[in-house]
Amino acid sequence: DTAVSQTPKYLVTQMGNDKSIKCEQNLGHDTMYWYKQDSKKFLKIMFSYNNKELIINETVPNRFSPKSPDKAHLNLHINSLELGDSAVYFCASSQASMLRGRETQYFGPGTRLLVL
Amino acid sequence: QKEVEQNSGPLSVPEGAIASLNCTYSDRVSQSFFWYRQYSGKSPELIMSIYSNGDKEDGRFTAQLNKASQYVSLLIRDSQPSDSATYLCAVNTGTASKLTFGTGTRLQVTL
Repeated sequence: DTAVSQTPKYLVTQMGNDKSIKCEQNLGHDTMYWYKQDSKKFLKIMFSYNNKELIINETVPNRFSPKSPDKAHLNLHINSLELGDSAVYFCASSQASMLRGRETQYFGPGTRLLVL
Repeated sequence: QKEVEQNSGPLSVPEGAIASLNCTYSDRVSQSFFWYRQYSGKSPELIMSIYSNGDKEDGRFTAQLNKASQYVSLLIRDSQPSDSATYLCAVNTGTASKLTFGTGTRLQVTL
């Protein structure tokens, strides 16, 4: 049973297109995240939702729009794709804790996006 | 100055040796520290977390934290070829579960 799953695993598309990546977790967690890992392996937070509420919104172009229909799902829609958007996008989830900041984040397998 | 810094490596150690991975961070209010392992083409996987100054041991892994020096390290004893991976240091300042990652250190364990 996959704890955090993402679709698709690979995405190859042309510049200017719009695409979506979907994430689902079956861990019962209340917090989900989107990360971007660039070609140099630098992993950076983009967004986070807690119980469908946006709680982290890093400096990301507004072409990127997250959406959380329920606490088990977090999708990422990207408009007008650019070459620089090529990266691996990871979804993650965690369960909020009384001890803030100590939650373990569980990562999905990643979506490898290549913009041509 | 980067918020979380790691030597990118590769760090090469022979099988059976101790691998020492280091990480420094800039935000003094950081409270929680994590080490993730990432195999090539795979997702990050948590291997250790540490919150208080000192050492924390789990099997062959020991995490060390020194908040005064803003330094956290990971020791891997009896290194195995299966330990070859990129090790990511992550720091949380305690707000909104935001993790800031370092660029990772690539470890190679040689036979």
